[in-house]
Amino acid sequence: GAVVSQHPSWVICKSGTSVKIECRSLDFQATTMFWYRQFPKQSLMLMATSNEGSKATYEQGVEKDKFLINHASLTLSTLTVTSAHPEDSSFYICRGRNGYEQYFGPGTRLTVT
Amino acid sequence: SQQGEEDPQALSIQEGENATMNCSYKTSINNLQWYRQNSGRGLVHLILIRSNEREKHSGRLRVTLDTSKKSSSLLITASRAADTASYFCATDAGWGTSGSRLTFGEGTQLTVNP
Repeated sequence: GAVVSQHPSWVICKSGTSVKIECRSLDFQATTMFWYRQFPKQSLMLMATSNEGSKATYEQGVEKDKFLINHASLTLSTLTVTSAHPEDSSFYICRGRNGYEQYFGPGTRLTVT
Repeated sequence: SQQGEEDPQALSIQEGENATMNCSYKTSINNLQWYRQNSGRGLVHLILIRSNEREKHSGRLRVTLDTSKKSSSLLITASRAADTASYFCATDAGWGTSGSRLTFGEGTQLTVNP
């Protein structure tokens, strides 16, 4: 069946640097991609929604200039955390959707030191 | 923002017992989904129940949906230690302005003691 993968699965970076997280769909064309963030022992919070070829729509309180989302193709979406700070340390999960099909990625653990 | 609330926040039971988790939501939905998440891992989709369904079964799982009360419950029967995980409900408002986004509840941490 279709699989959505994320790379890297975990990353440690220094404060002030930028980190790019990739979300790829295999055997599945994700017309819509959702990005979630999950802090420890908390639930998933939707950060943004993007349709292939369009600009992402960000949830209230999510800085679009800090969390850059690109969904240039039906099989690849990227989330770039710019000028990362320790408070950005979290688990980032993508979810691809095409009609009634949807698949979550396995998540990326970001730790900012 | 999260619209789902789950209770209990934490549940500890013995192996073999049943576990019931509840979820309440605030707006109209197209369907409601339950997920499991092992510590530090990704989500595992358990079951989806549509707004016109009242009950659904899958193996040891039983889900109910009461749209008049905007609530759902997940029952795990004959629990096993391997069921230890966090369980989340997620509501899908369907297409339209919401864009079929999923909104997650706060989750229930289930611990099944062997």
